[in-house]
Amino acid sequence: GIQVEQSPPDLILQEGANSTLRCNFSDSVNNLQWFHQNPWGQLINLFYIPSGTKQNGRLSATTVATERYSLLYISSSQTTDSGVYFCAVGNSGNTPLVFGKGTRLSVIA
Amino acid sequence: ETGVTQSPTHLIKTRGQQVTLRCSSQSGHNTVSWYQQALGQGPQFIFQYYREEENGRGNFPPRFSGLQFPNYSSELNVNALELDDSALYLCASSLRDFYGYTFGSGTRLTVV
Repeated sequence: GIQVEQSPPDLILQEGANSTLRCNFSDSVNNLQWFHQNPWGQLINLFYIPSGTKQNGRLSATTVATERYSLLYISSSQTTDSGVYFCAVGNSGNTPLVFGKGTRLSVIA
Repeated sequence: ETGVTQSPTHLIKTRGQQVTLRCSSQSGHNTVSWYQQALGQGPQFIFQYYREEENGRGNFPPRFSGLQFPNYSSELNVNALELDDSALYLCASSLRDFYGYTFGSGTRLTVV
C-alpha cells in the first residue's frame, strides 16, 4: 500500500517564525489532504491539494504530484498553531485516507 | 449544517469486555469511515460504510465490526477488548465520489 512519510517529526518555533512541513508519498495519488489535530483530538481539514498550490491566510500548501511530495507552509506562527499536522493521501474519494505519523508543532510565546 | 458528533468522549473498559462507539455523520454525507489512532501515531483505517454496507476494511481483526443506519449514522463495536485497543477512535463522514472528509472529535478508549 501507499507509504506516507512526514518530516520533521517535531518542531519547536518562536511565535512569529515561519516553518515548512514536508510530506513524501510512495505512489501516485488523486487525493491529498493536510489536517491539523488540535489538543482535544479533532482533525481539522486545512487543504485538499492533490496538485498545485493553495493559500488560506497564513497557511499555504504546494503539492508536486510528479515528484510525490507536498509542503505545508506556516508563516508568522502563533501559539494557536500548536498541535499535530497530518498529511493523508488516497487514490479516490471512495478509498480510505492513509495518514503519515504527523509533525508535532509547538509554538512558544 | 451540523458536523460529525461522536459519543461517548471518553470510556474506560476492562480487558475482555465489549464496547460500542457511536457517530452521527455531517448533514448531506452518506459515507462513514472509522479510524484508530494510537498514542503518537497517525490514524489507521478500520473500515468504511456506504449505504449500510461495509465498503472497505483495513488490517483489523473481525472482533472490530460496525453498522451504518438509514440516517447514515454509524456504530463501531469491539468485542473481547485487549489492552492494545486503547486509542482514540475517530469517525469521519464524507460524500461518496467527493474528497472532503469531516472528522469528529473522537472517543478516547482506555482498556485496563
